[in-house]
Amino acid sequence: QVQLVESGGGLVKPGGSLRLSCAASGFTFSDYYMSWIRQAPGKGLEWVSYISSSGSTIYYADSVKGRFTISRDNAKNSLYLQMNSLRAEDTAVYYCARPTVTTHGYYFDYWGQGTLVTVSS
Amino acid sequence: QSVLTQPPSVSGAPGQRVTISCTGSSSNIGAGYDVHWYQQLPGTAPKLLIYGNSNRPSGVPDRFSGSKSGTSASLAITGLQAEDEADYYCQSYDSSLSWVFGGGTKLTVL
Repeated sequence: QVQLVESGGGLVKPGGSLRLSCAASGFTFSDYYMSWIRQAPGKGLEWVSYISSSGSTIYYADSVKGRFTISRDNAKNSLYLQMNSLRAEDTAVYYCARPTVTTHGYYFDYWGQGTLVTVSS
Repeated sequence: QSVLTQPPSVSGAPGQRVTISCTGSSSNIGAGYDVHWYQQLPGTAPKLLIYGNSNRPSGVPDRFSGSKSGTSASLAITGLQAEDEADYYCQSYDSSLSWVFGGGTKLTVL
């Protein structure tokens, strides 16, 4: 069965960096797009970033553009999110999710359990 | 401020029917992009509930249904059960090359 397992979260000071990982299993990772989605404490869902199956196409939310970098290693079935210049407002649970294409758009059919990132001094 | 607008909360008694609305704009739902719905139980990751406006993944009861019209969409839940108490999110794609969510609706089963 499809499994997505995030890791790498923790407490970091404002201005600091953190690298999240997502280990995928149960499907052919290299065939699928992937995304990161976050949820601040007590708040709603916010899409963060997208990467195509080959890694050639990448998109970011305006709120993280220039600070976060998404990448993948298809040989290791892994997705990454390098987060630099972290701010208090980046505090959230970060989910790794798999987008699936429909005729008119994409939906996220599988989600990981999430990893908590706390940015605080 | 979320791009898609949902009511913050809805409630209903067991056995009743409730609906949750999701309003977008001409750059997302109104542009013809599909709407999808997720259920998030307390302390867990979101789970896909409805995809492609009205399709249910395997295992989702037919008490859950979705529809879309113009720049809006709706999720209907019939025969409310205590286990349906959760947060519900709508999601679509936007012409600005981004994925957008509603702010979420907390369903309380009275």
